[in-house]
Order: sequence, then structure tokens, then C-alpha cells
Amino acid sequence: AQKITQTQPGMFVQEKEAVTLDCTYDTSDPSYGLFWYKQPSSGEMIFLIYQGSYDQQNATEGRYSLNFQKARKSANLVISASQLGDSAMYFCAMRERAQKLVFGQGTRLTINP
Amino acid sequence: NAGVMQNPRHLVRRRGQEARLRCSPMKGHSHVYWYRQLPEEGLKFMVYLQKENIIDESGMPKERFSAEFPKEGPSILRIQQVVRGDSAAYFCASSPPTVHTEAFFGQGTRLTVV
Repeated sequence: AQKITQTQPGMFVQEKEAVTLDCTYDTSDPSYGLFWYKQPSSGEMIFLIYQGSYDQQNATEGRYSLNFQKARKSANLVISASQLGDSAMYFCAMRERAQKLVFGQGTRLTINP
Repeated sequence: NAGVMQNPRHLVRRRGQEARLRCSPMKGHSHVYWYRQLPEEGLKFMVYLQKENIIDESGMPKERFSAEFPKEGPSILRIQQVVRGDSAAYFCASSPPTVHTEAFFGQGTRLTVV
């Protein structure tokens, strides 16, 4: 069964607009962590933001925020005021207790000037 | 994530040769993950190791692939008798042994089999 689902293969957004990248997950473990990574065309994997299952508030890191809806099992990434440099692949990932880090299929985000 | 060191960055092997990919985790990290990424695809989990122990190898092909993380030295992903289909980017990540910390990635090794 797919643990992490990203339903948007590609998204196109105008510069300076906000963008939401969708991620849903599946787990029965009450303790887990959710992560977003960015992979630019150069290929490296860059950690963006983390949300713990017990965290009461949504995580924020600069222009990145994570819209965590636990009951719906969703962890959408919101990028405010998008920039051309935000064009990249974005991966959602989850880690359950003592388990491997599992990734979604990714969303390719393109920011248009 | 600059602390996770992978080498080599690029590796070219002829069909039938062996490929050895190395990963030195960040200082203080005892857990290592290996992933494979084909062009335009996501990261496919291969193996999850801690020092001297394989925790989960459910993503490893049954033949030709092996991984280790010895007490001393880097983690090694070994591919024997490489075939063209093994051409991919191989990423290593490391983390402390807790669920609530991020895993940091190395720059990856791009393996090309000719």
C-alpha cells in the first residue's frame, strides 16, 4: 500500500503567487514525522520543513509552511510569494517509529516569470 | 546536509563490473538509508542500516546488491555484475535514531553503466 501520495505530477505557478503542494499519508502508528524535500535540477536533496505527529501547531520555516490536518492525514506544503528559484521537484516523506523514510512520487513545480 | 559525504560523485562502469558506492554519515548519526532514483522519478527505498546491523532491506534487489555499515568507516552499497538498468542516481541519507528528526542527504552518486 502506498504510504505517501502526491497527486500533482506537475504544477505551474506565476511568480509571487502562493502555491500549495498536496501530500496525503497512511499510517496506524501514532508517532511519526512528516518531511518535505526540494530537489532542484542540480540533483541534491534539500530538507525544507518537518512536522511531528504530536505537534499542535503547523510548522513554518521562512516562506515554507506545512498545513497539517491530522484527521485527514494530509501534510500539504505551502510556499508563499513564490520565486523563480523555487522551480524544482518537491518530495513529501514520512518516517514512522523505527522505520525507514518513505517518499512520495514528487511534484514538479515550475514558476513562471 | 553538507555533512553527509558520498563518493564518488560520478561512477562509470562497464557491464559485468562491480560498483562500490560510499557514504559517510553526519557526525553523531548512527542510521543510514540508501535510495535509488531513476531520471524523472522519485526516490525508491533500498536499505536502512545502523552500525553493524541491517534494519530493513525490503527495497534491495535479491541478487547482485548488498549493503553494509561497519562499526568503523563508511557505509558501502555494492553492486556486482552491473547491468545497464543499474544506471541511476544513488542517494545516501543519515539521521539520528529517532523518528522526529530529519534525514540529511548526500549529493548522490550517479552511476552510469556502459
